[in-house]
Amino acid sequence: AQKVTQAQTEISVVEKEDVTLDCVYETRDTTYYLFWYKQPPSGELVFLIRRNSFDEQNEISGRYSWNFQKSTSSFNFTITASQVVDSAVYFCALRGGSNYKLTFGKGTLLTVNP
Amino acid sequence: GAGVSQSPRYKVTKRGQDVALRCDPISGHVSLYWYRQALGQGPEFLTYFNYEAQQDKSGLPNDRFSAERPEGSISTLTIQRTEQRDSAMYRCASSPGTGGATNEKLFFGSGTQLSVL
Repeated sequence: AQKVTQAQTEISVVEKEDVTLDCVYETRDTTYYLFWYKQPPSGELVFLIRRNSFDEQNEISGRYSWNFQKSTSSFNFTITASQVVDSAVYFCALRGGSNYKLTFGKGTLLTVNP
Repeated sequence: GAGVSQSPRYKVTKRGQDVALRCDPISGHVSLYWYRQALGQGPEFLTYFNYEAQQDKSGLPNDRFSAERPEGSISTLTIQRTEQRDSAMYRCASSPGTGGATNEKLFFGSGTQLSVL
């Protein structure tokens, strides 16, 4: 069985603060993929990043960075110098082995205040 | 089209009515998925199509729910005799390859918000 836990239900920060969204996953598969999606107030789900289980290199994309720690089964997401436009619900998701089903966490609502 | 299109955007219906939700995937995408997202939750898998074949319907809650994709493109999710507990956001997603390519990202539509009164 697969499980994704996003323990932070809501986070509120002031613009320009750094913020980290936590994601812990469970899977018995040796090969799996981790994803982050953003759901802005408009409601669509926007793909942010995909990481496979064999690549533990951290990734940076502009103000976004991801820290994959296989030893702790975590795939945390950091936004540096947050902006109001970053306000959204962020979902971490897992897809394992040959299973095409994407398992989502419950999401973290991030509010960035001006 | 440029993205996954779902219609209607909002659907309000009375308990006991049937509803049909439409999904138009990205042109050429082989795989199509339906997910349901309750308020405050992440999306949950309902069913998966590879071309026109429904390969997995294990996530459909009960036999009031059905889906089809007759020509391997547009898909319809039908809920018969709707109940209040069916109220949720129904999301469609597509991806270019077959479902076995687990590394593929899914392209999601904006969803249909269903409210059953």
